[in-house]
Amino acid sequence: GAGVSQSPSNKVTEKGKDVELRCDPISGHTALYWYRQSLGQGLEFLIYFQGNSAPDKSGLPSDRFSAERTGGSVSTLTIQRTQQEDSAVYLCASSPTPTANTGELFFGEGSRLTVL
Amino acid sequence: ILNVEQSPQSLHVQEGDSTNFTCSFPSSNFYALHWYRWETAKSPEALFVMTLNGDEKKKGRISATLNTKEGYSYLYIKGSQPEDSATYLCAFGGTSYGKLTFGQGTILTVHP
Repeated sequence: GAGVSQSPSNKVTEKGKDVELRCDPISGHTALYWYRQSLGQGLEFLIYFQGNSAPDKSGLPSDRFSAERTGGSVSTLTIQRTQQEDSAVYLCASSPTPTANTGELFFGEGSRLTVL
Repeated sequence: ILNVEQSPQSLHVQEGDSTNFTCSFPSSNFYALHWYRWETAKSPEALFVMTLNGDEKKKGRISATLNTKEGYSYLYIKGSQPEDSATYLCAFGGTSYGKLTFGQGTILTVHP
């Protein structure tokens, strides 16, 4: 009965390294989202998974970013060759319904990434 | 690129004051407007999901209205309390599936 779980909660890495951020959604939620918030910015959409449909990757800022969702549950966001501008709080959210007009999002507490 | 704008960016009020802020969004292809509250060191939490023009929602001292024809929603807080201090986010759903575009938020600080 836990909420959305994200790990790590904090990650400090050196420029050029790869990082993986994990999201464990609420059991049974079919929709999963990744957003990020850079300093002084709003929530920026990254990617959206819905069931077995092809994910909406339209928000991924570059080809260094990728995400997968295994078995319709856990999702991993991977950032390759990190850059300082990747520093942000990465938020994952899940929803029990696939449609924006009924499905409120349930957010995790975020993974704060700092790239030195 | 969808423009979802919130104003003001930040707001300082005294305990007991009533306050309101605005979310502006595209008036075409509307499906839903969400409001979330994001307290420091916590996860954003949903306040309202609104879908119909003229919708009014209320939860305790917080209420929201929706005008889809002109593309805005107001969030009202009556008798603000220090625990209302948070960032308030609106999110626009312009398609039938789940993608939501967020505004930059309004940071509310309620002083005792």
